[in-house]
Amino acid sequence: AQSVTQLGSHVSVSEGALVLLRCNYSSSVPPYLFWYVQYPNQGLQLLLKYTTGATLVKGINGFEAEFKKSETSFHLTKPSAHMSDAAEYFCAVTTLFGNEKLTFGTGTRLTIIP
Amino acid sequence: AAGVIQSPRHLIKEKRETATLKCYPIPRHDTVYWYQQGPGQDPQFLISFYEKMQSDKGSIPDRFSAQQFSDYHSELNMSSLELGDSALYFCASSSPGQYLDTQYFGPGTRLTVL
Repeated sequence: AQSVTQLGSHVSVSEGALVLLRCNYSSSVPPYLFWYVQYPNQGLQLLLKYTTGATLVKGINGFEAEFKKSETSFHLTKPSAHMSDAAEYFCAVTTLFGNEKLTFGTGTRLTIIP
Repeated sequence: AAGVIQSPRHLIKEKRETATLKCYPIPRHDTVYWYQQGPGQDPQFLISFYEKMQSDKGSIPDRFSAQQFSDYHSELNMSSLELGDSALYFCASSSPGQYLDTQYFGPGTRLTVL
Protein backbone atom coordinates (compact mmCIF):
# COMPACT_ATOMS: atom_id res chain seq x y z
CA ALA A 1 0.00 0.00 0.00
CA GLN A 2 1.09 3.55 -0.59
CA SER A 3 0.71 6.68 1.51
CA VAL A 4 1.77 10.29 1.66
CA THR A 5 2.57 12.50 4.60
CA GLN A 6 2.29 16.25 4.42
CA LEU A 7 4.34 18.03 7.04
CA GLY A 8 2.56 21.07 8.39
CA SER A 9 -1.19 21.36 8.24
CA HIS A 10 -0.87 25.15 8.10
CA VAL A 11 1.84 27.21 6.41
CA SER A 12 1.99 30.99 6.33
CA VAL A 13 4.30 32.98 4.07
CA SER A 14 4.59 36.62 3.20
CA GLU A 15 3.59 37.81 -0.23
CA GLY A 16 6.65 37.56 -2.48
CA ALA A 17 8.38 34.99 -0.28
CA LEU A 18 9.28 31.43 -1.16
CA VAL A 19 6.54 28.83 -0.80
CA LEU A 20 7.63 25.36 0.33
CA LEU A 21 5.05 22.67 1.02
CA ARG A 22 6.43 19.32 2.10
CA CYS A 23 5.28 15.89 1.00
CA ASN A 24 6.88 12.54 1.74
CA TYR A 25 5.61 9.31 0.28
CA SER A 26 5.75 5.66 1.14
CA SER A 27 5.45 3.06 -1.56
CA SER A 28 6.87 -0.41 -2.16
CA VAL A 29 6.74 0.17 -5.92
CA PRO A 30 7.58 3.22 -8.05
CA PRO A 31 5.10 5.95 -7.18
CA TYR A 32 3.23 8.39 -9.32
CA LEU A 33 2.87 11.66 -7.46
CA PHE A 34 0.51 14.59 -7.78
CA TRP A 35 -0.16 17.97 -6.22
CA TYR A 36 -3.72 19.29 -6.23
CA VAL A 37 -4.99 22.66 -5.04
CA GLN A 38 -8.42 23.28 -3.56
CA TYR A 39 -9.84 26.76 -3.28
CA PRO A 40 -12.71 27.34 -0.84
CA ASN A 41 -15.91 25.62 -1.90
CA GLN A 42 -14.34 24.35 -5.09
CA GLY A 43 -13.10 21.08 -6.48
CA LEU A 44 -9.55 19.81 -6.76
CA GLN A 45 -7.38 21.28 -9.50
CA LEU A 46 -4.23 19.54 -10.66
CA LEU A 47 -1.10 21.62 -10.17
CA LEU A 48 1.45 19.12 -11.44
CA LYS A 49 2.32 15.45 -11.58
CA TYR A 50 5.31 13.15 -11.68
CA THR A 51 5.11 9.80 -13.43
CA THR A 52 8.44 9.00 -15.03
CA GLY A 53 11.31 10.88 -16.61
CA ALA A 54 12.49 14.28 -15.46
CA THR A 55 12.41 14.55 -11.70
CA LEU A 56 11.82 18.31 -11.67
CA VAL A 57 8.25 18.91 -12.69
CA LYS A 58 6.79 22.28 -13.54
CA GLY A 59 3.12 22.98 -13.11
CA ILE A 60 0.60 25.75 -13.38
CA ASN A 61 0.70 29.10 -11.58
CA GLY A 62 4.49 29.01 -11.24
CA PHE A 63 4.64 25.94 -9.02
CA GLU A 64 7.16 23.16 -9.38
CA ALA A 65 8.09 20.01 -7.48
CA GLU A 66 11.08 17.72 -7.43
CA PHE A 67 10.86 13.97 -7.05
CA LYS A 68 13.69 12.76 -4.83
CA LYS A 69 13.71 9.00 -4.55
CA SER A 70 16.54 8.94 -2.01
CA GLU A 71 14.52 11.16 0.30
CA THR A 72 11.10 9.75 -0.69
CA SER A 73 9.98 13.34 -1.11
CA PHE A 74 7.97 15.41 -3.56
CA HIS A 75 8.01 18.91 -2.12
CA LEU A 76 6.08 21.73 -3.81
CA THR A 77 7.74 25.11 -4.28
CA LYS A 78 7.05 28.51 -5.75
CA PRO A 79 9.70 31.24 -5.76
CA SER A 80 7.37 34.13 -5.01
CA ALA A 81 4.02 33.79 -3.26
CA HIS A 82 0.99 35.65 -4.50
CA MET A 83 -2.18 36.42 -2.59
CA SER A 84 -4.12 34.22 -5.00
CA ASP A 85 -2.06 31.19 -3.88
CA ALA A 86 -3.97 31.02 -0.60
CA ALA A 87 -5.70 27.64 -0.67
CA GLU A 88 -5.53 24.04 0.55
CA TYR A 89 -2.88 21.90 -1.11
CA PHE A 90 -3.02 18.12 -1.31
CA CYS A 91 -0.24 15.74 -2.23
CA ALA A 92 -1.44 12.44 -3.67
CA VAL A 93 0.08 9.15 -4.77
CA THR A 94 -0.86 6.21 -6.88
CA THR A 95 1.06 3.33 -8.38
CA LEU A 96 0.89 0.95 -11.28
CA PHE A 97 -0.73 -1.52 -8.92
CA GLY A 98 -3.17 0.91 -7.33
CA ASN A 99 -5.79 0.72 -10.04
CA GLU A 100 -5.34 4.47 -10.44
CA LYS A 101 -7.08 5.43 -7.21
CA LEU A 102 -5.42 8.38 -5.56
CA THR A 103 -4.32 8.30 -1.95
CA PHE A 104 -4.21 11.83 -0.56
CA GLY A 105 -2.25 13.42 2.22
CA THR A 106 -4.06 15.34 4.91
CA GLY A 107 -3.52 18.65 3.17
CA THR A 108 -1.69 21.89 3.91
CA ARG A 109 -3.54 25.15 4.22
CA LEU A 110 -1.42 27.95 2.76
CA THR A 111 -2.00 31.47 4.04
CA ILE A 112 -0.38 34.46 2.36
CA ILE A 113 0.46 37.42 4.56
CA PRO A 114 0.19 40.79 2.78
CA ALA B 1 -13.01 23.39 -22.03
CA ALA B 2 -15.72 21.14 -20.68
CA GLY B 3 -15.25 19.99 -17.13
CA VAL B 4 -16.70 17.34 -14.87
CA ILE B 5 -20.24 18.21 -13.86
CA GLN B 6 -21.77 17.15 -10.60
CA SER B 7 -25.32 17.56 -9.46
CA PRO B 8 -26.71 18.65 -7.22
CA ARG B 9 -24.09 20.97 -5.79
CA HIS B 10 -25.75 20.98 -2.39
CA LEU B 11 -28.05 18.45 -0.80
CA ILE B 12 -29.69 18.38 2.60
CA LYS B 13 -31.23 15.16 3.86
CA GLU B 14 -32.57 13.74 7.09
CA LYS B 15 -31.15 10.67 8.80
CA ARG B 16 -32.28 7.40 7.27
CA GLU B 17 -33.23 9.08 4.00
CA THR B 18 -31.69 8.26 0.63
CA ALA B 19 -29.64 10.45 -1.71
CA THR B 20 -28.51 10.17 -5.30
CA LEU B 21 -25.48 12.07 -6.55
CA LYS B 22 -24.79 12.41 -10.24
CA CYS B 23 -21.56 12.84 -12.14
CA TYR B 24 -21.10 13.72 -15.79
CA PRO B 25 -17.51 13.14 -16.89
CA ILE B 26 -15.59 15.17 -19.40
CA PRO B 27 -16.71 14.16 -22.91
CA ARG B 28 -14.95 11.02 -24.15
CA HIS B 29 -13.66 10.18 -20.67
CA ASP B 30 -14.59 6.61 -19.85
CA THR B 31 -13.29 6.30 -16.30
CA VAL B 32 -15.05 7.77 -13.28
CA TYR B 33 -13.91 7.91 -9.67
CA TRP B 34 -15.81 8.86 -6.52
CA TYR B 35 -14.16 10.36 -3.45
CA GLN B 36 -15.54 11.46 -0.10
CA GLN B 37 -14.03 14.39 1.80
CA GLY B 38 -15.18 14.81 5.38
CA PRO B 39 -14.92 18.17 7.15
CA GLY B 40 -11.26 19.12 7.47
CA GLN B 41 -10.15 15.80 6.04
CA ASP B 42 -8.43 14.57 2.90
CA PRO B 43 -10.44 12.98 0.10
CA GLN B 44 -10.95 9.25 0.50
CA PHE B 45 -11.45 6.97 -2.50
CA LEU B 46 -14.83 5.26 -2.64
CA ILE B 47 -15.21 3.49 -5.96
CA SER B 48 -14.29 3.71 -9.63
CA PHE B 49 -15.66 2.57 -12.97
CA TYR B 50 -14.03 1.90 -16.30
CA GLU B 51 -16.17 1.33 -19.37
CA LYS B 52 -19.26 0.89 -17.20
CA MET B 53 -17.66 -1.83 -15.08
CA GLN B 54 -16.52 -1.38 -11.50
CA SER B 55 -12.74 -1.23 -11.60
CA ASP B 56 -11.82 -0.66 -7.97
CA LYS B 57 -13.47 -0.29 -4.60
CA GLY B 58 -12.29 1.58 -1.55
CA SER B 59 -13.83 2.35 1.79
CA ILE B 60 -17.40 2.55 0.53
CA PRO B 61 -20.12 1.55 3.02
CA ASP B 62 -22.48 -1.23 2.06
CA ARG B 63 -25.28 1.34 2.25
CA PHE B 64 -23.79 3.03 -0.80
CA SER B 65 -23.94 1.76 -4.35
CA ALA B 66 -22.85 3.24 -7.64
CA GLN B 67 -22.97 2.55 -11.31
CA GLN B 68 -21.84 3.95 -14.61
CA PHE B 69 -24.30 4.21 -17.43
CA SER B 70 -23.99 3.77 -21.19
CA ASP B 71 -23.35 7.49 -21.66
CA TYR B 72 -20.56 7.21 -19.05
CA HIS B 73 -22.27 9.32 -16.46
CA SER B 74 -22.25 7.83 -12.99
CA GLU B 75 -24.57 7.90 -10.01
CA LEU B 76 -23.76 7.32 -6.36
CA ASN B 77 -26.75 6.07 -4.40
CA MET B 78 -26.69 6.44 -0.65
CA SER B 79 -29.31 4.86 1.59
CA SER B 80 -30.05 4.94 5.33
CA LEU B 81 -28.09 8.14 5.62
CA GLU B 82 -26.20 8.78 8.82
CA LEU B 83 -24.88 12.01 10.31
CA GLY B 84 -21.36 10.85 9.50
CA ASP B 85 -22.18 10.78 5.80
CA SER B 86 -22.13 14.58 5.77
CA ALA B 87 -19.24 15.40 3.48
CA LEU B 88 -18.14 16.75 0.15
CA TYR B 89 -18.41 14.10 -2.53
CA PHE B 90 -16.14 14.48 -5.52
CA CYS B 91 -16.33 12.82 -8.86
CA ALA B 92 -13.30 12.69 -11.13
CA SER B 93 -12.83 11.41 -14.65
CA SER B 94 -9.87 10.45 -16.80
CA SER B 95 -9.41 9.93 -20.50
CA PRO B 96 -9.58 6.64 -22.28
CA GLY B 97 -6.71 4.33 -22.98
CA GLN B 98 -4.20 6.15 -20.87
CA TYR B 99 -3.34 4.31 -17.73
CA LEU B 100 -2.63 6.56 -14.79
CA ASP B 101 -3.77 9.57 -16.72
CA THR B 102 -4.68 12.71 -14.85
CA GLN B 103 -7.91 12.66 -12.89
CA TYR B 104 -9.98 15.79 -13.41
CA PHE B 105 -12.23 16.63 -10.51
CA GLY B 106 -15.67 18.10 -10.47
CA PRO B 107 -16.74 20.86 -8.06
CA GLY B 108 -18.25 18.35 -5.65
CA THR B 109 -21.63 17.79 -4.05
CA ARG B 110 -21.91 18.93 -0.48
CA LEU B 111 -24.19 16.56 1.41
CA THR B 112 -25.52 17.57 4.79
CA VAL B 113 -27.37 14.98 6.86
CA LEU B 114 -29.50 16.39 9.66
